[in-house]
Amino acid sequence: GESVGLHLPTLSVQEGDNSIINCAYSNSASDYFIWYKQESGKGPQFIIDIRSNMDKRQGQRVTVLLNKTVKHLSLQIAATQPGDSAVYFCAEGGDQGAQKLVFGQGTRLTINP
Amino acid sequence: DAGITQSPRHKVTETGTPVTLRCHQTENHRYMYWYRQDPGHGLRLIHYSYGVKDTDKGEVSDGYSVSRSKTEDFLLTLESATSSQTSVYFCAISVRLAGRTNTGELFFGEGSRLTVL
Repeated sequence: GESVGLHLPTLSVQEGDNSIINCAYSNSASDYFIWYKQESGKGPQFIIDIRSNMDKRQGQRVTVLLNKTVKHLSLQIAATQPGDSAVYFCAEGGDQGAQKLVFGQGTRLTINP
Repeated sequence: DAGITQSPRHKVTETGTPVTLRCHQTENHRYMYWYRQDPGHGLRLIHYSYGVKDTDKGEVSDGYSVSRSKTEDFLLTLESATSSQTSVYFCAISVRLAGRTNTGELFFGEGSRLTVL
């Protein structure tokens, strides 16, 4: 079936470095992609989204890149801070609404001092 | 914070007992969702609601029922809890934007950790 996955389950980076979290998706019909952040003991928190008519979208310290050719999504976090330590999920969907979102399993990002 | 409150936050129960989890929102959002989160599976949709008394099944609805008698409350019930229902349960709401049914921008509650012995 369709699935959303992640290349790496864990990622460790030095404080101040840039982080790149990757995600592969398999449903070529998906046209909406989202990144969520989940801190320990809390619910997921929306970070940024992107539609399939875009290749790149920037937020505050975060950038999402979408490569539809290879069905790949990435989240770049600039100048990582200790507060960025969390599990990051990608999700894919379309215009059918949030109830059709498919979530990846997550990548745990650890920031080393 | 989208004004979402889940209760209880933690519960331990025995196999075969009924359990009800409550999700309460204060911002009059139309769409509400119940997810479960398990290692190796990510978030999976159990049931969702698109209005008072309007609900539908998600990916993993077997063994669960829901009710929404008023906009602010969405209840998840396990009629007879099983050990496989040990999980962390998240309620979420979806923000509706003009011209669109609903978006993928979900706001989640803090979660309810359920252990079924």
